[in-house]
Amino acid sequence: GENVEQHPSTLSVQEGDSAVIKCTYSDSASNYFPWYKQELGKRPQLIIDIRSNVGEKKDQRIAVTLNKTAKHFSLHITETQPEDSAVYFCAASNGAAGNKLTFGGGTRVLVKP
Amino acid sequence: GAVVSQHPSRVICKSGTSVKIECRSLDFQATTMFWYRQFPKQSLMLMATSNEGSKATYEQGVEKDKFLINHASLTLSTLTVTSAHPEDSSFYICSAFSFRDRERETQYFGPGTRLLVL
Repeated sequence: GENVEQHPSTLSVQEGDSAVIKCTYSDSASNYFPWYKQELGKRPQLIIDIRSNVGEKKDQRIAVTLNKTAKHFSLHITETQPEDSAVYFCAASNGAAGNKLTFGGGTRVLVKP
Repeated sequence: GAVVSQHPSRVICKSGTSVKIECRSLDFQATTMFWYRQFPKQSLMLMATSNEGSKATYEQGVEKDKFLINHASLTLSTLTVTSAHPEDSSFYICSAFSFRDRERETQYFGPGTRLLVL
């Protein structure tokens, strides 16, 4: 089955700086890669996603890049703000295999004011 | 966006009792619902996939007789934790897959149910 590795596990940045989280996946058949933000005790919220036919996607301060050959994808947050502090999860799924999401281990991001 | 609700939001029960958690898609029909478990400071682990009108598919290591899943309609799936024990204490989250958003393959998550077994 799919295995998703996520790094780093914790990330502390100064407000205004950029944050980068990286994930690798093992199943070359995976074709959908969402990123979720989860605040303590809350549900995961989809912040951005990318499909395998696209190499990069951007939404305001958030961008995701995908390298299918190397089987890794990254989340980039620019101009970080204190409200960006949360746990971020990457995930991968294969639509042909029932859309099951396999999550990375999570990254706890702390944005210091 | 699509709305998914869960009930109850938190439950405390005694060891040996059974607990039922409901997951509802409020404004769309969910052909598939997923059940996840999340322990403190850990990631979400998929427990089972629930398809309307058919038996659930359980992930390796998840006891199907302990975690009973019923998906009786396109808007409701239930997870029953039978004979709960303290080690079953966790945050249980469901997600619903919208057939209308099939191209986006988006899963919408419920708010979660925190289970504490004493």
